Amino acid sequence: SSELTQDPAVSVALGQTVRITCQGDSLSSYYASWYQQKPGQAPLLVIYDKGNRPSGIPDRFSGSSSGNTASLTITGAQAEDEADYYCNSRDSSGHYLIFGGGTKLTVL
Amino acid sequence: QLQLQESGPGLVKPSETLSLTCTVSGGSIRSTTDYWGWIRQPPGKGLEWIGTVYYTGRTYYNPSLERRVTISVDPTKNQFSLNLSSVTAADTAVYYCADSGYDFGTIDYWGQGTLVTVSS
Repeated sequence: SSELTQDPAVSVALGQTVRITCQGDSLSSYYASWYQQKPGQAPLLVIYDKGNRPSGIPDRFSGSSSGNTASLTITGAQAEDEADYYCNSRDSSGHYLIFGGGTKLTVL
Repeated sequence: QLQLQESGPGLVKPSETLSLTCTVSGGSIRSTTDYWGWIRQPPGKGLEWIGTVYYTGRTYYNPSLERRVTISVDPTKNQFSLNLSSVTAADTAVYYCADSGYDFGTIDYWGQGTLVTVSS
C-alpha cells in the first residue's frame, strides 16, 4: 500500500495526554517519523525511528509502533503543541516516501 | 547545523517549467549519509513528497510526478535542483527542500519553503 491514514482532527485538554495515530501497510516494515507544523512554518521533526526524539524536542513527545499503526503521544499537552502533525515513512517498496494526510491538534 | 535555502521564481506560467534550487550550508552535499529531497504543500493541504537525490546523482521520484520531474545535484556549488515541467494550477504550492541524514525515510532538516504560484 502507498497510503498512510491519519485522523483529520484531534483535541486535548491542556495538560492531558493525547495520542495521534497513523495507519498503513508500510508501517509493518518501516518506522514512521512524525513532524509538527505550525502555521506559516516548515515542518519540524519530532519523532523518528523507534521513538527517538531529535535534540531540543521535549520529552513529553513519544512515539510507538504496533503492526501497521504508529502513534505519537503527547503527555501533558501544552498550548504551544497546537499544530498540524504529519507522519511519514517509506512505502512498502522502500524506494519512495509517503505522508499521512495530517492531524490538526487543538489544545483546549 | 545544516541549513537549506530554496531559491527560484515565485510565479510560473501554465505549461512552463518550474525550476528551484536549494543551497546547502553547514554541511556537504557530497555526504555519503545524506539524501536531498523536495516536498511540496498546496495551500491549506498536506505534504507531498516529490523526489530525492543522492550525491552520486541517483534519484527517486514520486510515481505520480515522475513523468514531469527532474532532480539533480551540483556538488561544485553545494546545491541541488528541482525541475517540474508542464505545470498547471494544481502545482501551486509551497516547495520545501529537505535533508534526510539519519535514514532515507526521515527528514531531519527542512528549508523555510518557497511559494510558487502557477498563473498566467
